[in-house]
Amino acid sequence: EAGVTQFPSHSVIEKGQTVTLRCDPISGHDNLYWYRRVMGKEIKFLLHFVKESKQDESGMPNNRFLAERTGGTYSTLKVQPAELEDSGVYFCASSWSGTVYNSPLHFGNGTRLTVT
Amino acid sequence: GESVGLHLPTLSVQEGDNSIINCAYSNSASDYFIWYKQESGKGPQFIIDIRSNMDKRQGQRVTVLLNKTVKHLSLQIAATQPGDSAVYFCAERTPPGGGNKLTFGTGTQLKVEL
Repeated sequence: EAGVTQFPSHSVIEKGQTVTLRCDPISGHDNLYWYRRVMGKEIKFLLHFVKESKQDESGMPNNRFLAERTGGTYSTLKVQPAELEDSGVYFCASSWSGTVYNSPLHFGNGTRLTVT
Repeated sequence: GESVGLHLPTLSVQEGDNSIINCAYSNSASDYFIWYKQESGKGPQFIIDIRSNMDKRQGQRVTVLLNKTVKHLSLQIAATQPGDSAVYFCAERTPPGGGNKLTFGTGTQLKVEL
C-alpha cells in the first residue's frame, strides 16, 4: 500500500509569505495528525483530524496556522504569514480507527520549511 | 540534515553487539508508549509499543522495557546491524489525550560501527 505522502518535500519562503503544505494519508485511515519539529526542539503535536472534523487542535501555535481536511481525505496546512520561527520539519501521520493500541501512526517523510 | 542544530545524545555500538537506548518519560499518568526510528530524510517509523499495564514486550530483534516506578523506558536491539543506524525516539500518550496525540522525547542517535 502507498504510505503517507507529503508535498512539497522542501519549501523555502520569505518572511511574510504564505505556504501551504499537503498531506495524503494512507487510504482508509480516518485519523490524520500534523506534527512538527522546529530547530533544536522535539517533535510536537499540532492537531488531529477524524475524517473531516478537527478532533484536537490544542497544539496549533497561533492563528497564522490553518489546517483543513475537506472531504476527509487529504489535508492541507497553511501558514500565513510565515515567520522565521516557523522554520522546521512538518510531519503528517495517519492511523486507522480501530483500537488505538493496534493502530500505530504512519508518518510521511515530512516537509522541510525554511523561512528566510 | 534534519539534525542540524539539534544536539542529540549518541550511542555508538559495534555491529553484532546489543544496543540499549534509554528514555526518561515525563508524565506518570501516561498510559501508552511507543518507540520510533527515524532515518535521515524520512519520517519516524513505528518499531514497537507497550501499554502501561505491561513491563516488557518483545518484537523481532527488539524488546521494550517499561519501569513506571522511575518513569523509564528502554529499547533493546539485539545483534545490531548497520541498517539500525538512525535516530530513535520514545513517545508517550497521556490521558485525557487519546488516539495518537503523543509527546516525543528528544531522540538518541544510534551509530553502528563496522
